[in-house]
Amino acid sequence: KQEVTQIPAALSVPEGENLVLNCSFTDSAIYNLQWFRQDPGKGLTSLLLIQSSQREQTSGRLNASLDKSSGRSTLYIAASQPGDSATYLCAVSPGHGSSNTGKLIFGQGTTLQVKP
Amino acid sequence: DTEVTQTPKHLVMGMTNKKSLKCEQHMGHRAMYWYKQKAKKPPELMFVYSYEKLSINESVPSRFSPECPNSSLLNLHLHALQPEDSALYLCASSQGRWDSYEQYFGPGTRLTVT
Repeated sequence: KQEVTQIPAALSVPEGENLVLNCSFTDSAIYNLQWFRQDPGKGLTSLLLIQSSQREQTSGRLNASLDKSSGRSTLYIAASQPGDSATYLCAVSPGHGSSNTGKLIFGQGTTLQVKP
Repeated sequence: DTEVTQTPKHLVMGMTNKKSLKCEQHMGHRAMYWYKQKAKKPPELMFVYSYEKLSINESVPSRFSPECPNSSLLNLHLHALQPEDSALYLCASSQGRWDSYEQYFGPGTRLTVT
């Protein structure tokens, strides 16, 4: 059974710092991995999608990497800002069986606070 | 436009009420999803519709009844809910059910069952 873990659960950093959020998954058979941002009480905003054949994706100050063989992904945020404060969730799309198609398995999330 | 809309934003209902949640997208996506999210927990998949047909039901109690009237619209009919069903209900869509596609989420409906 696929399990997704995110470390740390919470992170507080001063503004301007570069930071890394970690995501690990137990089964390397995945179709893709997606990083989301969620503000309190709101829906999820898709940040980056990495296909299983890709190693990284970049969008602005965000860079996500994927090492499928070791079951790891990282989300790198450069020059953090107070507006980056939110919960960041990673989710994998499991690759075994047609019954899993369309599913996302989420980690518990990392709650980030960027202090001015 | 990558927008998924959900109505209502907030809903309070009694355990004997019948209500419906609505989700809409106009991106031409052919897969739509319902998720349930409890406080400080990640979303949990409830249902997946692919090409307007129910393809995944994650053993959801029958008091939740999904409906996909057309490719742009997804409903979740609620009946005889329990207080523990109070949660944020999220709708999502993607180009297809195939897993190379990114899922886009709506803002959610905050449901309170009294």
